[in-house]
Amino acid sequence: RKEVEQDPGPFNVPEGATVAFNCTYSNSASQSFFWYRQDCRKEPKLLMSVYSSGNEDGRFTAQLNRASQYISLLIRDSKLSDSATYLCVVNSGNTDKLIFGTGTRLQVFP
Amino acid sequence: NAGVTQTPKFQVLKTGQSMTLQCAQDMNHEYMSWYRQDPGMGLRLIHYSVGAGITDQGEVPNGYNVSRSTTEDFPLRLLSAAPSQTSVYFCASSYQPHSEDTQYFGPGTRLTVL
Repeated sequence: RKEVEQDPGPFNVPEGATVAFNCTYSNSASQSFFWYRQDCRKEPKLLMSVYSSGNEDGRFTAQLNRASQYISLLIRDSKLSDSATYLCVVNSGNTDKLIFGTGTRLQVFP
Repeated sequence: NAGVTQTPKFQVLKTGQSMTLQCAQDMNHEYMSWYRQDPGMGLRLIHYSVGAGITDQGEVPNGYNVSRSTTEDFPLRLLSAAPSQTSVYFCASSYQPHSEDTQYFGPGTRLTVL
């Protein structure tokens, strides 16, 4: 089983829609969780960290469920510019090493 | 600040050739890493460094060497290129440990080994 798993998508949604992605992780000792965004043929960039109590940044909301070992990303009022691949990132157990999911591709259409 | 820079952007090698991928950052970050990204695999850690003079292996270190003689530079050396090393290589840096801080990635090097 992969340490971090994501649905590869693609998720095709119209502008203005709300879309949610989940990511599961296998190591219960993991403590750090992030969502990165990667545009086609570009480098990953941090979208947001995920905190235990959940956190929001504008149209983006991240949640952590430790009991079920998953994190989620909710995007409200989708924009064309949100089209990208969203990478789930988790630290490996008690280490500083980060494990990247394979990403979920989002395509927002007019 | 230029951030994290990588050279070259593209490279084609023949099997058995060696080369060095360059990575530099001007943010005075202590933590630097090299990843490779392959379709369906996600980014995988090759080597990392927690400061000048200190390096360690990641998940897929075989066939690669690194050194960290300065805070700014973290070159990745391919000793004898193989077709399995065809990939996109990203260098990343952060001020704090990677699990505690934003990682800043370079633009990547696209390597093809024939």
